[in-house]
Amino acid sequence: QQQVKQSPQSLIVQKGGISIINCAYENTAFDYFPWYQQFPGKGPALLIAIRPDVSEKKEGRFTISFNKSAKQFSLHIMDSQPGDSATYFCAASPPERTFGNEKLTFGTGTRLTIIP
Amino acid sequence: DAGITQSPRHKVTETGTPVTLRCHQTENHRYMYWYRQDPGHGLRLIHYSYGVKDTDKGEVSDGYSVSRSKTEDFLLTLESATSSQTSVYFCAISEGVISNQPQHFGDGTRLSIL
Repeated sequence: QQQVKQSPQSLIVQKGGISIINCAYENTAFDYFPWYQQFPGKGPALLIAIRPDVSEKKEGRFTISFNKSAKQFSLHIMDSQPGDSATYFCAASPPERTFGNEKLTFGTGTRLTIIP
Repeated sequence: DAGITQSPRHKVTETGTPVTLRCHQTENHRYMYWYRQDPGHGLRLIHYSYGVKDTDKGEVSDGYSVSRSKTEDFLLTLESATSSQTSVYFCAISEGVISNQPQHFGDGTRLSIL
């Protein structure tokens, strides 16, 4: 049961271009949407996160766009650089409540390659 | 980097043998998680812990058990390993609930079951 669908599976972008990765979710109770970046041989690391009370969040070259009505969110990487080559995972989590609800549901990942 | 150590980093074993993976943290974080990562599936939660001796199942818990007798250690056990459990296993920790405190991941254990 895939609650967070991520696309594309792989993406090749030229240096300086814009990389766009999309995610769609099903559970309307989700209210926290982080993106993780993973380099080969390493664990994922939090890149940027958004809550549904805003439609966009920007941190440096990374921007999350959020569309609550469509239940979609996306990661935009501006001026993409070879160092951005990695696997990116979107994720979603329901509201904090009591113990036992602290779970992230991850997308299937996008392998991003930035070419010179 | 968050102080998370996973051991072993690599392991090859045979079907039917027991396997224990260890996650050790030096951050004194309350929450600890075990995930498996497989191509086409992303990261899937196996088990997690919200305190010493407090654990709960994730979405793919069948065939796995966990224990947490100390804040710093979270063990994942495959009682009788099967080839379908060949995967990369990641431990993660967080100080508080996910939406307020990010999860920090270890560098993984690559487990091959022949």
